[in-house]
Amino acid sequence: AQSVTQLDSQVPVFEEAPVELRCNYSSSVSVYLFWYVQYPNQGLQLLLKYLSGSTLVKGINGFEAEFNKSQTSFHLRKPSVHISDTAEYFCAVTLANQAGTALIFGKGTTLSVSS
Amino acid sequence: DTAVSQTPKYLVTQMGNDKSIKCEQNLGHDTMYWYKQDSKKFLKIMFSYNNKELIINETVPNRFSPKSPDKAHLNLHINSLELGDSAVYFCASSNLAGVTGELFFGEGSRLTVL
Repeated sequence: AQSVTQLDSQVPVFEEAPVELRCNYSSSVSVYLFWYVQYPNQGLQLLLKYLSGSTLVKGINGFEAEFNKSQTSFHLRKPSVHISDTAEYFCAVTLANQAGTALIFGKGTTLSVSS
Repeated sequence: DTAVSQTPKYLVTQMGNDKSIKCEQNLGHDTMYWYKQDSKKFLKIMFSYNNKELIINETVPNRFSPKSPDKAHLNLHINSLELGDSAVYFCASSNLAGVTGELFFGEGSRLTVL
């Protein structure tokens, strides 16, 4: 079975600083990878996804992530964060080309951006 | 137009009661899900329906019963509520035929059991 580990439960940063949120996955077969963001008292919104092809994926709000198969990682990065990026970030995995499998989420990383 | 809508958004009830949460999606998707988010924000899949057919049924107490009257609706009924049922319940939908795994989430229903 596949699983996701988010290596940092909380990441505090100052505004305009770069940030990296780390995600490692475990699976014996090919997977699709996702990053979702959850703002306070809201549902989850897709930031970006990796299905195949280029390992560098760009998403909304200036975020990007790199799929590294050898290290089984899918770290999320932003070169300069804003206060409005403060939120909970979830890495998720599902089996590639397998209809009917659910997204499995990591435990989340709280990004706190201060001025 | 809200793509995935859940009602109610907040629900406060006593232990032992029975309650339902409703979910509707207008995206034309054929698959719908219920996830539970606990107090530590951990998200866990509970159920999934594809075209009204149950396809994922995780280890969930049988007090929880999903019902899908059509592919645009997935309701969650909970019997004999317990304190540990307090959580935020998220409905989501996807297009299974597309097999990209992307889910579209509702805003959640916060259940508090007293």
